[in-house]
Amino acid sequence: SSELTQDPAVSVALGQTVRITCQGDSLRSYFASWYQQKPGQAPLLVIYDKNNRPSGIPDRFSGSSSGNTASLTITGAQAEDEADYYCNSRDRSGNPCVFGGGTKLTVL
Amino acid sequence: QVQLQQSGPGLVKPSQTLSLTCAVSGDSVSSNSAAWNWIRQSPSRGLEWLGRTYYRSNWYNDYAVSVKSRITINPDTSKNQFSLQLNSVTPEDTAVYYCARERGGSYFHWGQGTLVTVSS
Repeated sequence: SSELTQDPAVSVALGQTVRITCQGDSLRSYFASWYQQKPGQAPLLVIYDKNNRPSGIPDRFSGSSSGNTASLTITGAQAEDEADYYCNSRDRSGNPCVFGGGTKLTVL
Repeated sequence: QVQLQQSGPGLVKPSQTLSLTCAVSGDSVSSNSAAWNWIRQSPSRGLEWLGRTYYRSNWYNDYAVSVKSRITINPDTSKNQFSLQLNSVTPEDTAVYYCARERGGSYFHWGQGTLVTVSS
């Protein structure tokens, strides 16, 4: 089982705001990154170092962190945001990387 | 613009060795600020980090505890690429394998993915 826990599924109405969370003890010490994955595609980095967006990622994507929880917020969700979202960070077991189990976002 | 292009067989027999290559363009595998990773994804295990190689005046490797006894990741500076070898595979190793360029713990660029099936 993953050391980073995500809700399996979340839904949001078109144009509304949704928060996707990632919980884990390592998040007290390390930033989370967030990835969007659509069917048949490789993951795409959308947030890194807690709240930085790579070039080309819309500003409706933002990140935050508090205690052992990191969050990805989509403000004004669009139909094209429907995808699986994964968090990653370092872990406490000696691996440089661990991924969350993923959250399937449905835009209604 | 960084691009990663994967190559390698999609079918491997049980107990044999899985071998994949990731060719890099737009950056150097000898970069002092990047690391070169292999990550796999399966329905049962989700996204699973396998290991990485990186250059910081010397070459270093880190491997996931779960595969440490079976994995080797090597850079090939002459071809600007890096490779994955996973020995003694079982059907549990069936997955989509990705190479990825990492900076600061985040994976900015990914290969296209290779579905590797372990079956006789």
